[in-house]
Amino acid sequence: DARVTQTPRHKVTEMGQEVTMRCQPILGHNTVFWYRQTMMQGLELLAYFRNRAPLDDSGMPKDRFSAEMPDATLATLKIQPSEPRDSAVYFCASGSVTSRDGEQYFGPGTRLTVT
Amino acid sequence: AQSVTQLGSHVSVSEGALVLLRCNYSSSVPPYLFWYVQYPNQGLQLLLKYTSAATLVKGINGFEAEFKKSETSFHLTKPSAHMSDAAEYFCAVRATNAGKSTFGDGTTLTVKP
Repeated sequence: DARVTQTPRHKVTEMGQEVTMRCQPILGHNTVFWYRQTMMQGLELLAYFRNRAPLDDSGMPKDRFSAEMPDATLATLKIQPSEPRDSAVYFCASGSVTSRDGEQYFGPGTRLTVT
Repeated sequence: AQSVTQLGSHVSVSEGALVLLRCNYSSSVPPYLFWYVQYPNQGLQLLLKYTSAATLVKGINGFEAEFKKSETSFHLTKPSAHMSDAAEYFCAVRATNAGKSTFGDGTTLTVKP
């Protein structure tokens, strides 16, 4: 049963610290999305990649957030320095651009708490 | 451009009653449409999808949705609610020429015994 994996599942850190979240997309998927979910803002798209190239990161605060895909099996989202307002659940999703419909498969999320 | 509006952030039904969650979309080109469900402390999972084939789409757990182009709607229904249906439901649209989906704000479904 192929699924998207995310690590860590939970992260508590102090303001100012660097946070790195990792995502392993489903093997063969060539599109990766990063979302942030909060009670106030709901589900927000931060960035997405196709064939490891960033296509859209307009939803991401550029001064502190960065997203990369070092290889086809790993996507990372980094926050440096972290702030309390970054507390949220961060989801990674993957999909295949060869699929006509663009269905996305979501990981379980990383729950980030910045104190 | 594409957008989606979910009418009603909270819906409450009794167990055994009809579930109706509303979704209206806007897309400049023919869309693909999706319903996702999110259970507490989990990621979103696909319930069903419309991809320009049959307008009435059946999904998992007894849910179905009907694509109505004239009304730009894709409402989600289930004839009889079960306690296990309590979750948050998201409607999403992707224009056929777009690389990403746009999600609605979500509707929280509560099922009363």
